[in-house]
Amino acid sequence: EPEVTQTPSHQVTQMGQEVILRCVPISNHLYFYWYRQILGQKVEFLVSFYNNEISEKSEIFDDQFSVERPDGSNFTLKIRSTKLEDSAMYFCASAPAISYEQYFGPGTRLTVT
Amino acid sequence: LAKTTQPISMDSYEGQEVNITCSHNNIATNDYITWYQQFPSQGPRFIIQGYKTKVTNEVASLFIPADRKSSTLSLPRVSLSDTAVYYCLAPSKAAGNKLTFGGGTRVLVKP
Repeated sequence: EPEVTQTPSHQVTQMGQEVILRCVPISNHLYFYWYRQILGQKVEFLVSFYNNEISEKSEIFDDQFSVERPDGSNFTLKIRSTKLEDSAMYFCASAPAISYEQYFGPGTRLTVT
Repeated sequence: LAKTTQPISMDSYEGQEVNITCSHNNIATNDYITWYQQFPSQGPRFIIQGYKTKVTNEVASLFIPADRKSSTLSLPRVSLSDTAVYYCLAPSKAAGNKLTFGGGTRVLVKP
């Protein structure tokens, strides 16, 4: 069964550093998402992406965040200057169409020290 | 966006049926009810979605009464591996296709 993959599984970085989280969505999917979950808290929507542009973004997704689909397979989330409060599990998701049935990856645990 | 309310936690035993009820009093006419499951340190996983009456798949059943103000997720004969957090969502088409998760119901299945 096809699945969404994410790398790395765990990333440790120092405050102020840039990080890039990578995702490979399911191959025939067209809609892509990033969510995050701070330890012990709710899963929060960050951004949705379709047709090479952002469809929607949350208040969390400020100028420090960007997304890109550099080729036909990868979907990346960049945080330019990480803060301590960016420490969280980041989940990528994809869907074949506009749908509430989204396929989530296993997540990248980001730890900012 | 309809607010959903569900129990914080439930305990059950292996082999029992688990029913989780979610209330969504202000659900809009066109909105579907969607349930996700999340195991520790994993991403959420779609379980089931419905509009009204009953929907069943290989994992669960979803019961939605005619007024659609609540829904019940039914997990038949649970096993230890069904221990997870279960989220009830009522995403609004007007709000795009983002998913808005609440706190979910933490189900603990005991031997």
